[in-house]
Amino acid sequence: NAGVTQTPKFRILKIGQSMTLQCTQDMNHNYMYWYRQDPGMGLKLIYYSVGAGITDKGEVPNGYNVSRSTTEDFPLRLELAAPSQTSVYFCASSPLEGGEQFFGPGTRLTVL
Amino acid sequence: GNSVTQMEGPVTLSEEAFLTINCTYTATGYPSLFWYVQYPGEGLQLLLKATKADDKGSNKGFEATYRKETTSFHLEKGSVQVSDSAVYFCALTNSGGSNYKLTFGKGTLLTVNP
Repeated sequence: NAGVTQTPKFRILKIGQSMTLQCTQDMNHNYMYWYRQDPGMGLKLIYYSVGAGITDKGEVPNGYNVSRSTTEDFPLRLELAAPSQTSVYFCASSPLEGGEQFFGPGTRLTVL
Repeated sequence: GNSVTQMEGPVTLSEEAFLTINCTYTATGYPSLFWYVQYPGEGLQLLLKATKADDKGSNKGFEATYRKETTSFHLEKGSVQVSDSAVYFCALTNSGGSNYKLTFGKGTLLTVNP
């Protein structure tokens, strides 16, 4: 049981480049989330999904897009990378409302 | 809206010292409360939780009690170890229709020296 896996672990992008952060969970959870963690700022919710085919914006969605075609996968897309998107990104999943969220190991992204 | 305020760090303690990390919250209704821990280079993992007033969550020697009258959920441990060095996050979920979202505090870095 791998839990929540994220790839890549590290990435450096140039301004204006695009990339997709991958997230997969093998626990058959309905709920999935993307957060960003900036130093001293806690975690901010970017997007979330309550099931395959259903996504919605969180607190800080600008500059990002998501899709949820399967229960297992929830990729996060950056179309035009900006320095303000330098952060650590965490994917998480949960089996039910208001329950424990299980986090992946994170992707550290630097935009130069 | 919901918010979580936790004591600013960093907190530095010697091994076997007593730990308290304060957490207070603002929320409507009856949120569930959580403490998550993040070890260096890893994602967050649930440490303990409480779902209603006066509940006490406990795990690995850590405890926290859901105090609705003071809107607090302070984390305590009687005797810390070097292996407890990590960042600790207090969090809550909404009650009602959107209770699948977590609101986090900013985190408190704990360093325990031998």
